[in-house]
Amino acid sequence: EAGVAQSPRYKIIEKRQSVAFWCNPISGHATLYWYQQILGQGPKLLIQFQNNGVVDDSQLPKDRFSAERLKGVDSTLKIQPAKLEDSAVYLCASSLGPGGVLYEQYFGPGTRLTVT
Amino acid sequence: DAKTTQPNSMESNEEEPVHLPCNHSTISGTDYIHWYRQLPSQGPEYVIHGLTSNVNNRMASLAIAEDRKSSTLILHRATLRDAAVYYCILRTGNTGKLIFGQGTTLQVKP
Repeated sequence: EAGVAQSPRYKIIEKRQSVAFWCNPISGHATLYWYQQILGQGPKLLIQFQNNGVVDDSQLPKDRFSAERLKGVDSTLKIQPAKLEDSAVYLCASSLGPGGVLYEQYFGPGTRLTVT
Repeated sequence: DAKTTQPNSMESNEEEPVHLPCNHSTISGTDYIHWYRQLPSQGPEYVIHGLTSNVNNRMASLAIAEDRKSSTLILHRATLRDAAVYYCILRTGNTGKLIFGQGTTLQVKP
């Protein structure tokens, strides 16, 4: 079974530029998550989708971050404009079930973003 | 959200058992205890989870205290590939949100 795919793997941009990340979850997984992991810290949930609807975006900085999951499959996360503190690894994860406690999350390899 | 406390780092010798502790004194009756680990330059991966009883799978064992205020992840024979950050997470609610702490960095020595 193919895992969660993410691209690009690395991205370097200057502050105030925009950037987009792409995620393809495991086939058939209804729930998709985006996490931000700053160096030395655990991942922090930014947004959770159930099919193509948003379940939780309480930690998403909505003034600069946006995310969509069209047709309930692939997802993109965008940052516009980027700030220095957005430098982090952005992880995508998916799970089979509706985000309940019994469904494990499968993580992609992440995209490492450096903002200069 | 319920919180967990883990040591920042631990060391182990290869081929020896490793016991990774986790304290969760504010756990509620509906919280499941999950463990994930993150190998260098990879995303986290699921290890094991439990509610009240001890659990075993091919990767590890989870021992849960009777009062559920602490738990221990047991790797029966550590290998170099087990060197990772191990996260103990309480998971609850309909969303099953994962809230990661700092985790324990496990170093395995040959």
